Amino acid sequence: NAGVMQNPRHLVRRRGQEARLRCSPMKGHSHVYWYRQLPEEGLKFMVYLQKENIIDESGMPKERFSAEFPKEGPSILRIQQVVRGDSAAYFCASSPKDRGPYEQYFGPGTRLTVT
Amino acid sequence: AQSVTQLGSHVSVSEGALVLLRCNYSSSVPPYLFWYVQYPNQGLQLLLKYTTGATLVKGINGFEAEFKKSETSFHLTKPSAHMSDAAEYFCAVSDTGKLIFGQGTTLQVKP
Repeated sequence: NAGVMQNPRHLVRRRGQEARLRCSPMKGHSHVYWYRQLPEEGLKFMVYLQKENIIDESGMPKERFSAEFPKEGPSILRIQQVVRGDSAAYFCASSPKDRGPYEQYFGPGTRLTVT
Repeated sequence: AQSVTQLGSHVSVSEGALVLLRCNYSSSVPPYLFWYVQYPNQGLQLLLKYTTGATLVKGINGFEAEFKKSETSFHLTKPSAHMSDAAEYFCAVSDTGKLIFGQGTTLQVKP
């Protein structure tokens, strides 16, 4: 059973460009979580989604950031008009339905660098 | 709201010595607690978790942690450190599904 897949693993964007980060959950998992790890900071929750539905977006910045998890295909974290402060590692985790509080499996992360 | 505090951002031990990484939590409900390890440029790997039941939890790679409600603690220990244990360790509490992480502790293992 393949683990959580994230791509790209590394992404370089210039200020003002858009960044799209993809997450394919483990087979059979219907819930996805996105976390951000800023330099010298811990991991911070961003958003919790199930297919076609956002459950909790309390950690998402109010502007420029959006996330989706369509019925088919990977979950996408989209950052519009990136700024240098968006440079971070973005991790996706997935869980089976209703087991999010007990088990989340993390992907390898996407490291975003904004130049 | 739940929160986690990890005491000590850096811990250094000699190979073969006891590893003790400290974690205190704050929670208004019975907590679910986790320890994750992160190796450089990699994702997070679950070491162990406490949900209910036995308060001494054993995990992978010889690590264990004890849930102490009276002390609101969930410290991680390993009797004998290996060089391969050098990594960053995160304590986390589950809050309605999402994980709330501590700031992390970098473990250095000296030969």
